[in-house]
Amino acid sequence: DQQVKQNSPSLSVQEGRISILNCDYTNSMFDYFLWYKKYPAEGPTFLISISSIKDKNEDGRFTVFLNKSAKHLSLHIVPSQPGDSAVYFCAASAGGGNKLTFGTGTQLKVEL
Amino acid sequence: GAVVSQHPSWVICKSGTSVKIECRSLDFQATTMFWYRQFPKQSLMLMATSNEGSKATYEQGVEKDKFLINHASLTLSTLTVTSAHPEDSSFYICSAMKPTEAGELFFGEGSRLTVL
Repeated sequence: DQQVKQNSPSLSVQEGRISILNCDYTNSMFDYFLWYKKYPAEGPTFLISISSIKDKNEDGRFTVFLNKSAKHLSLHIVPSQPGDSAVYFCAASAGGGNKLTFGTGTQLKVEL
Repeated sequence: GAVVSQHPSWVICKSGTSVKIECRSLDFQATTMFWYRQFPKQSLMLMATSNEGSKATYEQGVEKDKFLINHASLTLSTLTVTSAHPEDSSFYICSAMKPTEAGELFFGEGSRLTVL
C-alpha cells in the first residue's frame, strides 16, 4: 500500500520555466511533508518542508504548497535550471516522528 | 550542513558472503539512525531504525537475522547483510537524526551492493 504517491515518474521542462512536481498521500495522520532531491548514486538531500498547519512554504526558487483537504502537495521550482535535473522524492511523517514514508520519485529533466 | 558518510560507496561480493556497510555522522552525535533500501525506479523503503545502545527496530517484512544492525556509538551505525544473495543487490542509504529541536535528518551518500 503506497501511502505517498508521485504519479509522474518523469517530467521535462525548459530552462527558465516553472517545474511543478506533484505528490498525493492517503494517510491522514501525516502532518509533516518534505521534498528531497537525489542525484544518481548519491543519498537524498533535503530541499524544503512544510507542516500541516501551513499551506505554503517558500525558500528561494522552491515553493511547496499543501492542500490538506485534497491530501495533495506540490513543489514548484521557478525558474528551473539545468542543475535542478535530478529525482525528486516527496516524503511524509506523522506525529512528530522521523520515520519518513517516501514516494516513488519524479525524474526532472531541465533542458536548455 | 551536517555530514553523514557511508562506506563503502559500492561493493561487489559473491553469493553467500556477508557485507558490512558503515554509516557515520561526522559532525554531530546521532542517537537515532535509519537504514533504507532503494530498488531501481522505486521509493526508498525504510528497513529499520537504529538506536544507540539498544536493539534496532525493524520494519515489517525485513528479516532482522539477515540485516544485522549495530549502533555501537553515537556516531556509527553498521548494517551487515549476512549470507548475501543476488536479490539483496540494491542501493542502501542511511540517515542520521541531528539531536536538535527540529530533529533534522541527514542522509549518507548511499552504498551500492551487487551480489554475484
